[in-house]
Amino acid sequence: EVQLVESGGGLVQPGRSLRLSCAASGFTFDDYAMHWVRQAPGKGLEWVSGVSWRGGRIDYADSVKGRFTISRDNAKNSLYLQMNSLRAEDTALYYCAKDMGATAAECIDSWGQGTLVIVSS
Amino acid sequence: QLVLTQSPSASASLGASVKLTCTLSSGHSSYAIAWHQQQPEKGPRYLMKLNSDGSHTKGDGIPDRFSGSSSGAERYLTISGLQSEDEADYYCQTWGTGIPLVFGGGTKLTVL
Repeated sequence: EVQLVESGGGLVQPGRSLRLSCAASGFTFDDYAMHWVRQAPGKGLEWVSGVSWRGGRIDYADSVKGRFTISRDNAKNSLYLQMNSLRAEDTALYYCAKDMGATAAECIDSWGQGTLVIVSS
Repeated sequence: QLVLTQSPSASASLGASVKLTCTLSSGHSSYAIAWHQQQPEKGPRYLMKLNSDGSHTKGDGIPDRFSGSSSGAERYLTISGLQSEDEADYYCQTWGTGIPLVFGGGTKLTVL
């Protein structure tokens, strides 16, 4: 059974940084692309960033480009999101998600339960 | 620009059927999509990948009551024999070559 467990969320002041982690199990982690998707309170789903199976292809939403960095450690079956220069509008539940494919963004077929990030002074 | 359009809300009675629609933007009618369900206070759950020809691949444990179909630029999710636990938000999601993931705005389904 695929399991994705996010951690690292919390309350942070505007302008500060936070690093999210996602521990994956139940599948061959380095065979699949992975994503971060967020959901602001009361809003819909917004794709944030994705990384291919070996990290060779990385994409970001325009709203986070230049501030967030996605990475993965296949030896540790882990996905990360380094979030810098945080803004109030980054407040959201952040979900780790597994792609059905390996190299490019395709179809999400598994989701974590999310970790909450609140950006507030 | 690749955009997915969903009605904000839908409702149907317990035991009835409901058909939710996701519309692909002009020029993208051949794209496949995925349907995801988000029950209240829970993370999303993958339901199925739906191709332009109507063929679909469901996630593990998804009941037969959930089915997908396609017509032109429209992608449908039909839920038969509605149960109370089907009350949820339903999101469609797509992708393209060189295009990052795109989500529709979601449809809130109320089971009466």
